[in-house]
Amino acid sequence: QKEVEQDPGPLSVPEGAIVSLNCTYSNSAFQYFMWYRQYSRKGPELLMYTYSSGNKEDGRFTAQVDKSSKYISLFIRDSQPSDSATYLCAMWSGNTGKLIFGQGTTLQVKP
Amino acid sequence: GAVVSQHPSWVICKSGTSVKIECRSLDFQATTMFWYRQFPKQSLMLMATSNEGSKATYEQGVEKDKFLINHASLTLSTLTVTSAHPEDSSFYICSARETVGEKLFFGSGTQLSVL
Repeated sequence: QKEVEQDPGPLSVPEGAIVSLNCTYSNSAFQYFMWYRQYSRKGPELLMYTYSSGNKEDGRFTAQVDKSSKYISLFIRDSQPSDSATYLCAMWSGNTGKLIFGQGTTLQVKP
Repeated sequence: GAVVSQHPSWVICKSGTSVKIECRSLDFQATTMFWYRQFPKQSLMLMATSNEGSKATYEQGVEKDKFLINHASLTLSTLTVTSAHPEDSSFYICSARETVGEKLFFGSGTQLSVL
């Protein structure tokens, strides 16, 4: 079993839809949770960074962490074609000092 | 967010030659930098962890003599692919971790093509 599980998709939605992206994890030692956006042949861009359970909002993006269920989500409101990219969840393992990535979900927002 | 500069963005070389990729943190100090490799439609694979002033720590299966990493300062790490072969063709990405906090910022990546 992988430490971090993420459905690779692809996920296709119409413009303006609310997008929900999710990851589950197995290691209860994970403390820091991040979402990255990666466009094709570019480096990942940090979108959201959370430390504790709960919600964090930044513009059209909301990150949600539920440590009791070992489940994190990223919501994108009013999705735009420019949001089309691969979204990677990532978790920081304090034990190893490494960032563990999910497989990434490919999102396509159609005009 | 913090800026990590990676150069070159793409490079084509002949088999047997060496290629150096630079990774710089522009507006923060990074005691730790990471080097990843990414194949098409796959997630990032960690190759090695680079700490300033010490030897890099390589992941299992990564040849340290082939992928030379130098982290000479708090803002610069380099990856040299020695005696490159076509199977080394890939997208290489560096990242830098802030000295304070756990955020990791990525460079724009380098597409290496070995002919």
